[in-house]
Amino acid sequence: NAGVTQTPKFQVLKTGQSMTLQCAQDMNHNSMYWYRQDPGMGLRLIYYSASEGTTDKGEVPNGYNVSRLNKREFSLRLESAAPSQTSVYFCASSEQGAILETQYFGPGTRLLVL
Amino acid sequence: SQKIEQNSEALNIQEGKTATLTCNYTNYSPAYLQWYRQDPGRGPVFLLLIRENEKEKRKERLKVTFDTTLKQSLFHITASQPADSATYLCALHMDSNYQLIWGAGTKLIIKP
Repeated sequence: NAGVTQTPKFQVLKTGQSMTLQCAQDMNHNSMYWYRQDPGMGLRLIYYSASEGTTDKGEVPNGYNVSRLNKREFSLRLESAAPSQTSVYFCASSEQGAILETQYFGPGTRLLVL
Repeated sequence: SQKIEQNSEALNIQEGKTATLTCNYTNYSPAYLQWYRQDPGRGPVFLLLIRENEKEKRKERLKVTFDTTLKQSLFHITASQPADSATYLCALHMDSNYQLIWGAGTKLIIKP
């Protein structure tokens, strides 16, 4: 089992460019999440998907869109990148998105917006 | 406002000693709390979960305590080893939703 995989590992964008971060999990989990991690701050939830076909905003959704393509895949899109979106992005999954569950994380995508 | 605090300064511990990391929170009433380990360039990995009605949880050399009166969780690593060097994150979960609220983490350095 690969667990949670993310592509790309690194990306440099110019302001205004768009890109899609890809995430896939092979654990048959229902819930998937996108976080960003910035220095000195805790992980902040961007969007989550409780189950296939549903998505909801998290704490910091502005400037992002998501697609839950199927049960395995959950993508994050930046339509017009801004320097404030320079960050490390983590995708995570959990079995049901319910209480007492742990989350499983991918290796992250390091994004630099110039 | 709601806040989770972990010591932002790195914690340096001599190998073999017990490392103790702190997670304080204000204005939350978490149903449970989780601790994760994060190595450089990697995603967080789950270590332990403790519920609000549990005082202590153990797993091998790891121990977590949860004091809802003090609004604090302590994470202990006994007989610490250089391989324990990493950043440790705490995360809170409230009954009201299934989102985790994360601390910024404490970097632990175990010196041989």
